[in-house]
Amino acid sequence: DQQVKQNSPSLSVQEGRISILNCDYTNSMFDYFLWYKKYPAEGPTFLISISSIKDKNEDGRFTVFLNKSAKHLSLHIVPSQPGDSAVYFCAASALGNQFYFGTGTSLTVIP
Amino acid sequence: DGGITQSPKYLFRKEGQNVTLSCEQNLNHDAMYWYRQDPGQGLRLIYYSQIVNDFQKGDIAEGYSVSREKKESFPLTVTSAQKNPTAFYLCASSTFTGYEQYFGPGTRLTVT
Repeated sequence: DQQVKQNSPSLSVQEGRISILNCDYTNSMFDYFLWYKKYPAEGPTFLISISSIKDKNEDGRFTVFLNKSAKHLSLHIVPSQPGDSAVYFCAASALGNQFYFGTGTSLTVIP
Repeated sequence: DGGITQSPKYLFRKEGQNVTLSCEQNLNHDAMYWYRQDPGQGLRLIYYSQIVNDFQKGDIAEGYSVSREKKESFPLTVTSAQKNPTAFYLCASSTFTGYEQYFGPGTRLTVT
């Protein structure tokens, strides 16, 4: 059973606009969340994390928001750039155990 | 220059043969992982190891085996018992389990 879900397989955004990637989870014990970016035929690259004691974490153009009551997190990219075009995965873990990954959202930033 | 290396990048095998995928890290990380990615799917955990000489099965361990004789190395063997071995295999490491994982470039295995 998929514990971490990314319900949008793809997203297209104009360059300069905001990209919002969403992720839902089912396990209320998850307390640490990660976002990764992946180009084809390469390994994922760590982007940003958030722990359950926070509801927001920011790093440059990337901001992750966590809504624990809704079991939902989102990644905002502002402004979006063509180089951001990639597949984005969210991942969650509970109490320092293994991470569970979503199925990914393919972001295309149109110049 | 620290990182994770996986070799080879592409690997071709005949059905019925065992094949071993290499993963080496020089990040001094205690934990190492093997994932499999199939088209349209997320990363699924095959095996992970928290310390040398110890490893645990992930969600899809059947048909795979691993060893962790050195901190730096975590090879994965895809055995002939794995029904659908063709996939993209990713190795990762982290300081400890539950921390950010850093991934290698992956190995694309094709079995015909």
